Amino acid sequence: ETGVTQTPRHLVMGMTNKKSLKCEQHLGHNAMYWYKQSAKKPLELMFVYNFKEQTENNSVPSRFSPECPNSSHLFLHLHTLQPEDSALYLCASSQSQGGNEQYFGPGTRLTVT
Amino acid sequence: GIQVEQSPPDLILQEGANSTLRCNFSDSVNNLQWFHQNPWGQLINLFYIPSGTKQNGRLSATTVATERYSLLYISSSQTTDSGVYFCAVEGNTGFQKLVFGTGTRLLVSP
Repeated sequence: ETGVTQTPRHLVMGMTNKKSLKCEQHLGHNAMYWYKQSAKKPLELMFVYNFKEQTENNSVPSRFSPECPNSSHLFLHLHTLQPEDSALYLCASSQSQGGNEQYFGPGTRLTVT
Repeated sequence: GIQVEQSPPDLILQEGANSTLRCNFSDSVNNLQWFHQNPWGQLINLFYIPSGTKQNGRLSATTVATERYSLLYISSSQTTDSGVYFCAVEGNTGFQKLVFGTGTRLLVSP
C-alpha cells in the first residue's frame, strides 16, 4: 500500500465510449502525475500537476483530458480512444514537482476495443 | 534530455543467488529511484538514492553521481524477487521529470 489509489483497476471500452480514470493520494503531496506504460516500451510521462496547476503536457493527444480539482485527486478523462491507447495507466504523487520521491498507484489496465 | 540505460535486460537466477543490476545515466541528477514492478503492474519503491549508499534488508543500492551510474544489489534472492526492476532519474537541468530506463526483467527459480 503506497498511499496512492486508482480506480478502476481494469477497464474495457469501445472507441466511441467516454470514461474517466480516478487517482487519489493520501500522502499530503502537492504534485500528481499520469504515466502510460505500453507493452515493450518504457513508462512515459503524460501530465504533471503541481499545486493544482498543470505544468506538463507531454504532447499527449487531446482525446486524453486531465483534471486536478485539488491536490489529492487527479482524473484522466478518455474519449474516442484508439486500440493503440490500450496500456497500463499509472498515477503517481510527490511532495512537489522536482527532486522528490514519487509514489505510484496500482494502475488501471485499459483495453480499447 | 537525459538518457537512462539499464543492464542486463534479462536475468535468470537460482534461489539463493546474488545479483547486481546497473543503471547508467547521461547527465547529473537530483533524483534517482529504483522500483520493482510486480506481475500485477504495481511499482514498488525500493530506493530514493540520488547519491550514496542505502540498504534495506537483502537489497542495497549505491549511486556514484560523479560517474553517472547506480547499482542495485540483491542478495540471497527469493522467488518473490521476480519481476521487472526499473531505474528512473530526473536531471537537475531543464524540465523536472522522471525518465525511466527500459528495465531489467528478473526471474528467480526455486
